[in-house]
Amino acid sequence: DQQVKQNSPSLSVQEGRISILNCDYTNSMFDYFLWYKKYPAEGPTFLISISSIKDKNEDGRFTVFLNKSAKHLSLHIVPSQPGDSAVYFCAARGDHNTGNQFYFGTGTSLTVIP
Amino acid sequence: DTEVTQTPKHLVMGMTNKKSLKCEQHMGHRAMYWYKQKAKKPPELMFVYSYEKLSINESVPSRFSPECPNSSLLNLHLHALQPEDSALYLCASSQLLEDTQYFGPGTRLTVL
Repeated sequence: DQQVKQNSPSLSVQEGRISILNCDYTNSMFDYFLWYKKYPAEGPTFLISISSIKDKNEDGRFTVFLNKSAKHLSLHIVPSQPGDSAVYFCAARGDHNTGNQFYFGTGTSLTVIP
Repeated sequence: DTEVTQTPKHLVMGMTNKKSLKCEQHMGHRAMYWYKQKAKKPPELMFVYSYEKLSINESVPSRFSPECPNSSLLNLHLHALQPEDSALYLCASSQLLEDTQYFGPGTRLTVL
């Protein structure tokens, strides 16, 4: 049973525009959320995180928004650059009952068109 | 430095072979992880070590055997694998169990 879902397997955006990647989760006990970026044949690279006590975290061109009532988080990339083309995974951390295990979404492949 | 290294980068093995995957980090992290990732799927957790002790074993077949010789090293011993075990094997580490995980580049394993 997939507890973290990314319903869009792919997304194409023009360079300079905003990219919005979405992620939904089912477990209200998740307390920490992350986004990873993955290039082909490489491991995931940590991008940005957000604690459940916040609703927004910003780092340069990357902003993560958390809507706890909707169990939804999103990653905004502004402005999008061709080098942002990669697969983006969201992840959510369970509580101590799960050993603080992280659950990953299935990924969204972002293509930024020059 | 947030580097996790993994060797080898690629590995091809037969079903009767014995091989090992290696992972190393020098960030002083006390939690280390093995994940398996198939194409177009999220990483699947296999094993978790915390302070060099096996913390989580996600019902992984015994043909996969993890080992944590010290706080910087994590091995995954492979024996009698099946073709369906072909995947990208990712190692990750974090300061503690509940902290952000940093991934290595992975080992692309092909079982013939």
